[in-house]
Amino acid sequence: QVQLQESGPGLVKPSETLSLTCTVSDGSIRSYYWSWIRQPPGKGLEWIGYIYYSGSTNYNPSLKSRVTVSVDTSKNQFSLKLSSVTAADTAVYYCARTLYNSGAYQFDYWGQGALVTVSS
Amino acid sequence: DIQMTQSPSSLSASVGGRVTITCRASQSISKYLTWYQQRPGKAPKPLIYAASSLQSGVPSRFSGSGSGTDFTLTISSLQPEDFATYYCQQSYSTPITFGQGTRLEIK
Repeated sequence: QVQLQESGPGLVKPSETLSLTCTVSDGSIRSYYWSWIRQPPGKGLEWIGYIYYSGSTNYNPSLKSRVTVSVDTSKNQFSLKLSSVTAADTAVYYCARTLYNSGAYQFDYWGQGALVTVSS
Repeated sequence: DIQMTQSPSSLSASVGGRVTITCRASQSISKYLTWYQQRPGKAPKPLIYAASSLQSGVPSRFSGSGSGTDFTLTISSLQPEDFATYYCQQSYSTPITFGQGTRLEIK
């Protein structure tokens, strides 16, 4: 079955850019949407945005000015960049496959999550 | 944005018992609702999609119902592994939004 793995720095300084990559294995990145979702410690889930394998994107307006999601189909990877981070961006970041079926999206496969701490 | 409100925020129940968690949307979302289970330190796992359809591999003691603005997740005959946090999620419109979560604890 499909497996996802997040990778990237676990510590980012304030005002810098958070960068994470999600590698998809045991399945193709093609023909699916792929999302980033985050969860601050002890809090709930926030959808950051998704990308279709073709490159089209949809971002949460609350983060849109700072977010870029990209895809590399040759490597079966997609990536997240979040700029100008503050302590409020400290969270576990998940990547997830996003099924689109009959007008609805659901996240059926998830990575294990990557804790990113914003601190100087 | 569509706001999702879950109730209660937490509850306790006994093994073998039955619980119901409610999720209310701030506007109609038809049946575009998914329920997830999250155990501590783990990623969420989908349980129910389209409000009432059981995800493959999920035990039949989990069930969902509702449409429009009001939805419920029911777990019958609680097992020890069911004690976790549960989230609802709407995808009627973007941004996709989640409820704040309901923590289910052992009594």
